[in-house]
Amino acid sequence: SQTIHQWPATLVQPVGSPLSLECTVEGTSNPNLYWYRQAAGRGLQLLFYSVGIGQISSEVPQNLSASRPQDRQFILSSKKLLLSDSGFYLCAWSSGEATLAKNIQYFGAGTRLSVL
Amino acid sequence: AQKITQTQPGMFVQEKEAVTLDCTYDTSDPSYGLFWYKQPSSGEMIFLIYQGSYDQQNATEGRYSLNFQKARKSANLVISASQLGDSAMYFCAMRELNFGNEKLTFGTGTRLTIIP
Repeated sequence: SQTIHQWPATLVQPVGSPLSLECTVEGTSNPNLYWYRQAAGRGLQLLFYSVGIGQISSEVPQNLSASRPQDRQFILSSKKLLLSDSGFYLCAWSSGEATLAKNIQYFGAGTRLSVL
Repeated sequence: AQKITQTQPGMFVQEKEAVTLDCTYDTSDPSYGLFWYKQPSSGEMIFLIYQGSYDQQNATEGRYSLNFQKARKSANLVISASQLGDSAMYFCAMRELNFGNEKLTFGTGTRLTIIP
């Protein structure tokens, strides 16, 4: 069966420090991968998605970047964190069947980031 | 206009009663999918149920059913015989096959509290 791992679970970082959040998927190949951010008490906002190695689409301009160095690895990064980067970050995967509306996204446990 | 609207920020329901969580959507794409996710306090997003725009019957998954009214553009989640473990945030989401590519658009969620 497929599993998605996301770490760390919690992170407290000072303003201006770098960030690296990692997400890996097991049990599937060539998945679509996603990074979402959820502000407190809000819905999810898609930040990045990837349909293959080295292929990254950005949904919103921001202080963050994403990379996909391996088929089942997705990394969210920042060179210098801002206070506004605080939030709950969720990684998700779906199968590569982009032609189907029923392309369920399965989420990791999330990383709670506090920038102080 | 909001693509996904959830008008109930919070609901309190007595244990064992049925509960309906409202969701309306807005799209001109004839091919789309509607999803419901549950987010307990731990933060993980758990997929509950899916409804496709061309599906003739309402989706059901155990105690979950989706009341799909296409003409009214509504996709309400019905939970039968609620349990204490159903207390969580619930999010409605939509994927537009032709217009949204890989994007899932989420509503702002409804916080459901089950009262013993």
